[in-house]
Amino acid sequence: GAVVSQHPSRVICKSGTSVKIECRSLDFQATTMFWYRQFPKQSLMLMATSNEGSKATYEQGVEKDKFLINHASLTLSTLTVTSAHPEDSSFYICSARGTQGARRDEQFFGPGTRLTVL
Amino acid sequence: QQQVKQSPQSLIVQKGGISIINCAYENTAFDYFPWYQQFPGKGPALLIAIRPDVSEKKEGRFTISFNKSAKQFSLHIMDSQPGDSATYFCAASTSGTYKYIFGTGTRLKVLA
Repeated sequence: GAVVSQHPSRVICKSGTSVKIECRSLDFQATTMFWYRQFPKQSLMLMATSNEGSKATYEQGVEKDKFLINHASLTLSTLTVTSAHPEDSSFYICSARGTQGARRDEQFFGPGTRLTVL
Repeated sequence: QQQVKQSPQSLIVQKGGISIINCAYENTAFDYFPWYQQFPGKGPALLIAIRPDVSEKKEGRFTISFNKSAKQFSLHIMDSQPGDSATYFCAASTSGTYKYIFGTGTRLKVLA
């Protein structure tokens, strides 16, 4: 149980285009989803926290107009990188948090999406 | 105060040996401390987690030791295997926000 999927797993796009990444919790309802960014050989940096039905909360230094997050249901959150540029190339990972009891603190991570902007 | 410091940056261990990774934090409001394993090109997977009310937790070959007064916690991998070669991240969070602050990661290599 507690599976999180991401789509696509890999995307290559031209500079200036927008890219949408989907994050789904497959077998549980996720009140909260998190989006992270990871550069090669570095740690995960939290970009934003999204709660179903409300606006995402962005971490300091993350442009909310650049990285649009929508959490329309308890099983789906999307991250749209608008007008992508080469410096946006990175590994984007989502996670989902359940709401039940002792596992309420646990985040379940997706497999990640490799974005390459040419 | 929100940082989680992790060491060492990299670690090489012989097969069958013990791998030890350490983390330290400052924020006493942290109350959940998970360890994640990540293979290249994959998302992190939870190994084991601990709360401050216990000093040790063991699951199979993985043990977390927690020292609340020193604000430190560590991961011990017993009988390390080549398949354990991966990057390990510690993290800390507080109930309420549930946001993880990750350590910088430790690249473990277990030699056959």
